[in-house]
Amino acid sequence: QQQVKQSPQSLIVQKGGISIINCAYENTAFDYFPWYQQFPGKGPALLIAIRPDVSEKKEGRFTISFNKSAKQFSLHIMDSQPGDSATYFCAASIGGSQGNLIFGKGTKLSVKP
Amino acid sequence: GAGVSQSPSNKVTEKGKDVELRCDPISGHTALYWYRQSLGQGLEFLIYFQGNSAPDKSGLPSDRFSAERTGGSVSTLTIQRTQQEDSAVYLCASSRLGRDNQPQHFGDGTRLSIL
Repeated sequence: QQQVKQSPQSLIVQKGGISIINCAYENTAFDYFPWYQQFPGKGPALLIAIRPDVSEKKEGRFTISFNKSAKQFSLHIMDSQPGDSATYFCAASIGGSQGNLIFGKGTKLSVKP
Repeated sequence: GAGVSQSPSNKVTEKGKDVELRCDPISGHTALYWYRQSLGQGLEFLIYFQGNSAPDKSGLPSDRFSAERTGGSVSTLTIQRTQQEDSAVYLCASSRLGRDNQPQHFGDGTRLSIL
């Protein structure tokens, strides 16, 4: 049973465009929702995270939008750059950031110059 | 650097052999996690060590998998009688406990290939 569903599987965006990746979850006990960025041959690195008591969090060009009633959250990358080309994973956990992370399957983003 | 260190970075072994994978967490991080990343299954939780508490082994896929953490620092993941389906990247992460929203920091993983 996949507890966190991520879409799309791959995404191609032009430089300067907006990249949008969506995730949906089932378990209402999840209380921490991070996004990780992974480059080939490297481990995932935390990009931005949100708790369910807020609907949006912005850090630079990266924004998480969170819809608790719909059990969905999304990552928006504004002004996408070729250096943003990577695989992005959403995740969820119970027990905050120390909980075991349940990951989505990942989205491979390519930003074309 | 002061990141999570994993060794070896690559490991090729024959089916049926035992393998040991090592993780050195960030200094001062008392929580340590092992995950497995494979093409078909994505990133899966394996085991979690938190301080001196009993580890959460709920993600281990079979009794061929075990892990220990000595002295609250270095951890070793052992896979006995390896099978081809064990081929994956094994990732270790660590985090600081006691403070809210301390993220899990990942190492670059060990790429395990079973021939």
